[in-house]
Amino acid sequence: SQELEQSPQSLIVQEGKNLTINCTSSKTLYGLYWYKQKYGEGLIFLMMLQKGGEEKSHEKITAKLDEKKQQSSLHITASQPSHAGIYLCGAVYTGANSKLTFGKGITLSVRP
Amino acid sequence: NAGVTQTPKFQVLKTGQSMTLQCAQDMNHNSMYWYRQDPGMGLRLIYYSASEGTTDKGEVPNGYNVSRLNKREFSLRLESAAPSQTSVYFCASSEALWGSRNQPQHFGDGTRLSIL
Repeated sequence: SQELEQSPQSLIVQEGKNLTINCTSSKTLYGLYWYKQKYGEGLIFLMMLQKGGEEKSHEKITAKLDEKKQQSSLHITASQPSHAGIYLCGAVYTGANSKLTFGKGITLSVRP
Repeated sequence: NAGVTQTPKFQVLKTGQSMTLQCAQDMNHNSMYWYRQDPGMGLRLIYYSASEGTTDKGEVPNGYNVSRLNKREFSLRLESAAPSQTSVYFCASSEALWGSRNQPQHFGDGTRLSIL
């Protein structure tokens, strides 16, 4: 079963609108990464969250990790065409053999 | 600053052919990784190298081999390519194993591999 679920699978928004996407883990997280991928390119690091309740912002993108450290949301304010792409979350869990595991990604399209 | 460089960017192979995907990083990172990305499957770890001289299997290692040639270079080899290995392959590197808050994994631009 998938340990890390991202929702929705895809999203189309009008330019200027706000949006929120989610990443949910079946286990308590040690850390949660958010990456963005433009079509045909590699992954670009956005931010990492580790503490329960932590919130980080980068330009118009804000990511939060819930207190239980099992769910993260990523919010984009006043979306722009440059925000379009695939957003992936990656999770690291506690334990000696824990590896970085990625979700399947959310495809965001922004209509001008 | 090049970061993580992957070659080639595109490749078409016939079933049964072999090839090596090259990856080099110039950030003096200790750890390096190979992932494959498939529609609906997300990013899956093939092999990783925690440090120079070590390699370990990831989630989907069958059909692949790797070599950590030195601290900079980590290659991925397909000995006998199969259509199921058609994918986009990404190499990544990080200072610490799996990355950290201030030093996450850095990714190359990918190699798009088609096997006919």
